[in-house]
Amino acid sequence: DSGVTQTPKHLITATGQRVTLRCSPRSGDLSVYWYQQSLDQGLQFLIQYYNGEERAKGNILERFSAQQFPDLHSELNLSSLELGDSALYFCASSVEGRARPQYFGPGTRLLVL
Amino acid sequence: AQTVTQSQPEMSVQEAETVTLSCTYDTSESDYYLFWYKQPPSRQMILVIRQEAYKQQNATENRFSVNFQKAAKSFSLKISDSQLGDAAMYFCAYSLPGAQKLVFGQGTRLTINP
Repeated sequence: DSGVTQTPKHLITATGQRVTLRCSPRSGDLSVYWYQQSLDQGLQFLIQYYNGEERAKGNILERFSAQQFPDLHSELNLSSLELGDSALYFCASSVEGRARPQYFGPGTRLLVL
Repeated sequence: AQTVTQSQPEMSVQEAETVTLSCTYDTSESDYYLFWYKQPPSRQMILVIRQEAYKQQNATENRFSVNFQKAAKSFSLKISDSQLGDAAMYFCAYSLPGAQKLVFGQGTRLTINP
């Protein structure tokens, strides 16, 4: 158990809908990262938050947004869903400092029908 | 942009044998970090081992060790005494110092034959 929690574990929805994925980082970790794992794109970085502020953006679509709340949990919002958004979405967390690894949550498997 | 390449989509090894997974990366930075993550059938991403680029000594974690060749930009993972529980996808990843995003390779699927 990495200490990072993600809910829900599975999500099935229809095209055009909106969903929210939730992540709670490990105790003491201020950074939260979101990654998408799909068959065709592999593991891709989406976005990073540090202590409530957006720090870095990767290949995140405009239909997707995220935020980190004062209690450090984070939410990834996916809207106007398309079939191609079906993927495994991971949240990871880390502390600041050199060589600090990222610890991953169990992921949320999203299926868009 | 940094890239990570794993040239072996699949590997297999007999139980108790040793296997080496390859990884190369491309970067113009001199200070960075390299990681190997394991993804078993449960899909959980598990950190296996990490290497700091400024350290010449190769990292080891029990049966797992790396061969870090900075000049060649190569970072291979050696698994000794392979066990059935080692069967998984293995991802090589790169990051810059500090809390930075990970850049992943495409993964190598490792099968352990009993």
